[in-house]
Amino acid sequence: DVKVTQSSRYLVKRTGEKVFLECVQDMDHENMFWYRQDPGLGLRLIYFSYDVKMKEKGDIPEGYSVSREKKERFSLILESASTNQTSMYLCASSLEVGGIGEQFFGPGTRLTVL
Amino acid sequence: TQLLEQSPQFLSIQEGENLTVYCNSSSVFSSLQWYRQEPGEGPVLLVTVVTGGEVKKLKRLTFQFGDARKDSSLHITAAQPGDTGLYLCAGRAYNQGGKLIFGQGTELSVKP
Repeated sequence: DVKVTQSSRYLVKRTGEKVFLECVQDMDHENMFWYRQDPGLGLRLIYFSYDVKMKEKGDIPEGYSVSREKKERFSLILESASTNQTSMYLCASSLEVGGIGEQFFGPGTRLTVL
Repeated sequence: TQLLEQSPQFLSIQEGENLTVYCNSSSVFSSLQWYRQEPGEGPVLLVTVVTGGEVKKLKRLTFQFGDARKDSSLHITAAQPGDTGLYLCAGRAYNQGGKLIFGQGTELSVKP
């Protein structure tokens, strides 16, 4: 059974803190993605990675960075958390970036920044 | 700018009713997917459509891709409480580098 896991289901941080969100997939997928999900806005792509140490900006990369040191692990970093980064964060992986490939999602991390 | 407009955003119906969710765009998509998300979980793929005019059925769910590949619909027949969840359409537009573009989502509640 394919699996994408995220390090925390719920996280509460203070403004200005550095925040790390971890994602691990066990499907040997090349491609991994970070989205944020907000009511009425759907999923918006923050960053994605198509190979180890490779990263591409998505639609809303400002205030975020990522790290992919190993194929199975993709980390999202909030350098200095702000209240407008309170959101649900979803990690996904896929075998292909384009085509008709399915994206497999983790359960999400609900981050609250106070 | 939202490339994929999904409607309605909220839908509350009684068990046994039929419903349709729409996903529209001015962009042409090479493929379109529908995902379903339950509370506390990530989205799970229901179907992928790739050919204009294509119709796919998954038990009581019918998915259609528009002839011009700019729109799609999801029709549920005789909805059940187990259909409750967030339905998301997602497409790959030709000018978006293969990235998935998501609609806003439709929150469906089916009451017994």
